[in-house]
Amino acid sequence: GAVVSQHPSRVICKSGTSVKIECRSLDFQATTMFWYRQFPKKSLMLMATSNEGSKATYEQGVEKDKFLINHASLTLSTLTVTSAHPEDSSFYICSARDMADKNIQYFGAGTRLSVL
Amino acid sequence: AQSVSQHNHHVILSEAASLELGCNYSYGGTVNLFWYVQYPGQHLQLLLKYFSGDPLVKGIKGFEAEFIKSKFSFNLRKPSVQWSDTAEYFCAVNKGGGADGLTFGKGTHLIIQP
Repeated sequence: GAVVSQHPSRVICKSGTSVKIECRSLDFQATTMFWYRQFPKKSLMLMATSNEGSKATYEQGVEKDKFLINHASLTLSTLTVTSAHPEDSSFYICSARDMADKNIQYFGAGTRLSVL
Repeated sequence: AQSVSQHNHHVILSEAASLELGCNYSYGGTVNLFWYVQYPGQHLQLLLKYFSGDPLVKGIKGFEAEFIKSKFSFNLRKPSVQWSDTAEYFCAVNKGGGADGLTFGKGTHLIIQP
């Protein structure tokens, strides 16, 4: 099956610093990738839709200046958490939509962000 | 906006028992429906999906689900569970065009006792 690689798997940073998370589709091309956030004991919440070559679309309540998304190629999207604060600590998961099978999203393993 | 409700947050079964996990969604238009599974320490994997056609869909590992449009439901079933089915199960939906991100239910933590 299709593989999505997410890096890093875990990151610990100081408050005020920025953190970049990468999401790569390894064996397929994805014009669309999605970023989700998962709080403890809660479901995944869609944060934004990342479109190759254009601006990301953010869900209501998600700060676009806090969570910068770049989708520069058909296999890579990045999420940068800028000026991170402890309340940004969470599990971030990306998915990629397979262009050959447009209704299927394949998920990365997630990134555990801890902001001290 | 659509929403997804999973009724069972924790389910404990013995091996060989039958399984049914409930999932209801709210959205008036055409939808795509999914069940994902997350084994401990692993990423989300697609179990099965419904886009159109036969409302009874079969997935991997012996799982199946039935789409009942009149009930806005997409329940997951397996006739005989195994210890290796211990995992978190998520029901998800997106609009019929398929271009949108997924709306997930809160998940069901399934524990199978040997």
